[in-house]
Amino acid sequence: TQLLEQSPQFLSIQEGENLTVYCNSSSVFSSLQWYRQEPGEGPVLLVTVVTGGEVKKLKRLTFQFGDARKDSSLHITAAQPGDTGLYLCAGPSNNAGNMLTFGGGTRLMVKP
Amino acid sequence: DAGITQSPRYKITETGRQVTLMCHQTWSHSYMFWYRQDLGHGLRLIYYSAAADITDKGEVPDGYVVSRSKTENFPLTLESATRSQTSVYFCASSRAPHYGYTFGSGTRLTVV
Repeated sequence: TQLLEQSPQFLSIQEGENLTVYCNSSSVFSSLQWYRQEPGEGPVLLVTVVTGGEVKKLKRLTFQFGDARKDSSLHITAAQPGDTGLYLCAGPSNNAGNMLTFGGGTRLMVKP
Repeated sequence: DAGITQSPRYKITETGRQVTLMCHQTWSHSYMFWYRQDLGHGLRLIYYSAAADITDKGEVPDGYVVSRSKTENFPLTLESATRSQTSVYFCASSRAPHYGYTFGSGTRLTVV
């Protein structure tokens, strides 16, 4: 079974701080996706990384896919209260017909 | 409006009752999914559908029934609700199982 483990589970920081959250697996993934889920809403796709070593930027968010395609990170620069939410990584699972398997998520709170 | 809509947003039902959660998408996506989200368990796949009249079990299908007579609709039925089915249910759609998923806003179901 291809599992995705995210760390930390919870993170509470002050506005303006930088942070990095991680998504790790012992298995190789053909791609990884990152979602953000705000309270009371469904997850929203932020980015898909496909190539090992790939770096993608979305404003203050930087996503990196590990060279071996077993891990990914999300770095947020100068966090804002609007970044508060649950960050989920997901990847297609060979064991489940390529359905996405989701990590447990990192719950981020950014305090003003 | 284009997108994916779920109804109802909130539902309280009694143990043993049958309840149906509705999901409608306007993207004409082939794939549709039902997830439940619980603290400590993350997002777990209940059922998915690759096309009209094609459905298959996910990780936690027991106690649930789905149908997909039309591409745009994918209702989820709890045949005899139990307290353990209290959860937030998300419907999602995608062009392919490993592509990015578009999620609905969820249905918060409470079984008393």
